[in-house]
Amino acid sequence: AQSVTQLGSHVSVSEGALVLLRCNYSSSVPPYLFWYVQYPNQGLQLLLKYTSAATLVKGINGFEAEFKKSETSFHLTKPSAHMSDAAEYFCAVSDGNTDKLIFGTGTRLQVFP
Amino acid sequence: DTAVSQTPKYLVTQMGNDKSIKCEQNLGHDTMYWYKQDSKKFLKIMFSYNNKELIINETVPNRFSPKSPDKAHLNLHINSLELGDSAVYFCASSQPGAGQYGYTFGSGTRLTVV
Repeated sequence: AQSVTQLGSHVSVSEGALVLLRCNYSSSVPPYLFWYVQYPNQGLQLLLKYTSAATLVKGINGFEAEFKKSETSFHLTKPSAHMSDAAEYFCAVSDGNTDKLIFGTGTRLQVFP
Repeated sequence: DTAVSQTPKYLVTQMGNDKSIKCEQNLGHDTMYWYKQDSKKFLKIMFSYNNKELIINETVPNRFSPKSPDKAHLNLHINSLELGDSAVYFCASSQPGAGQYGYTFGSGTRLTVV
């Protein structure tokens, strides 16, 4: 069965610092992987997705993620954090054969001035 | 024009009541979903419908009954509400092959049972 693990329920960075949010997946088949962002009192918005076309995936708002099969990881990064990046971030996996997305437990990103 | 819209946005009700949450999507997607997000932000799928047909029915109390009158609408009816039903409920939709494309989510309905 597919699953994702997000290491670190809270991450705090200073404005301008590197953002690194970790996600490891478990899948018996080549996975499709997603990062979603949830701003306070809002729904989830797709940041980026990996669908095997390229291992380095660029998303919205300057975020990117790299798929590493050897490490079963799909970590989310952004070179320079903005105050507006403060939100909850979710990693999700699908096996591509069903329509079900399995979400991780989320990582809350705080950005300090 | 909102792609996936849910109503109401907030719902406060007493234990034992019956309530409904409505969801509509204007994206032309065939599949719609209900997810529950608990107080710890954990997201868990409850149901999915594909063109009005129930596809996924996770382990959910039978007090929860989804209804899809057409492929653009998926409503969630909850009978005999309990304190533990308090959560944020998200509706989502997807085109065929959601495993590759992901979902579009609504903004959520925060249900508080008192």
